[in-house]
Amino acid sequence: ELKVEQNPLFLSMQEGKNYTIYCNYSTTSDRLYWYRQDPGKSLESLFVLLSNGAVKQEGRLMASLDTKARLSTLHITAAVHDLSATYFCAVVAAGNNRKLIWGLGTSLAVNP
Amino acid sequence: EPEVTQTPSHQVTQMGQEVILRCVPISNHLYFYWYRQILGQKVEFLVSFYNNEISEKSEIFDDQFSVERPDGSNFTLKIRSTKLEDSAMYFCASSEDWQETQYFGPGTRLLVL
Repeated sequence: ELKVEQNPLFLSMQEGKNYTIYCNYSTTSDRLYWYRQDPGKSLESLFVLLSNGAVKQEGRLMASLDTKARLSTLHITAAVHDLSATYFCAVVAAGNNRKLIWGLGTSLAVNP
Repeated sequence: EPEVTQTPSHQVTQMGQEVILRCVPISNHLYFYWYRQILGQKVEFLVSFYNNEISEKSEIFDDQFSVERPDGSNFTLKIRSTKLEDSAMYFCASSEDWQETQYFGPGTRLLVL
């Protein structure tokens, strides 16, 4: 059974600093997603990573995927307060499988 | 920009009552999903739906749950006899293809008393 683990679960960082959130998964995956959720809001798609070595960047966020290590990272560069949110990774197991299995989320607070 | 919509935004119901949560997926999307998120916890898959039938469902999605696409635009989740533990945020999502990004609606917050 596919399990998805994120760490850290809570992250408090200062504006301007860099940090990385990690997402490990337990079985072979077809694809991996990163989503953002603001408090009380819906889930906003950030990235979809489909293949080993995939790297995607949007603004101060960069996501990468290492399928051999079953690891994805979400790197935050020069954090700003607007990035404060909960970040989830979600994984689809290999095969004809349509369900997303989610990590617990990383609650990020960026402080001035 | 097209988006998934859900109604109602909030629903309060008594234990044992039936509730229907409604979703309008993005119009050219063919795959539909329901997820739930208990307060402060992770998102859990409930069911996926394609071509007017369930593609996959989780162990949470028992006989108390059902989904339907009653017309060309709506996608509904029915809970027949609600329990206290059904209290959660329910998200609908849709995608163009099963490999594509799933786009989520704003959610319905269900509270069972």
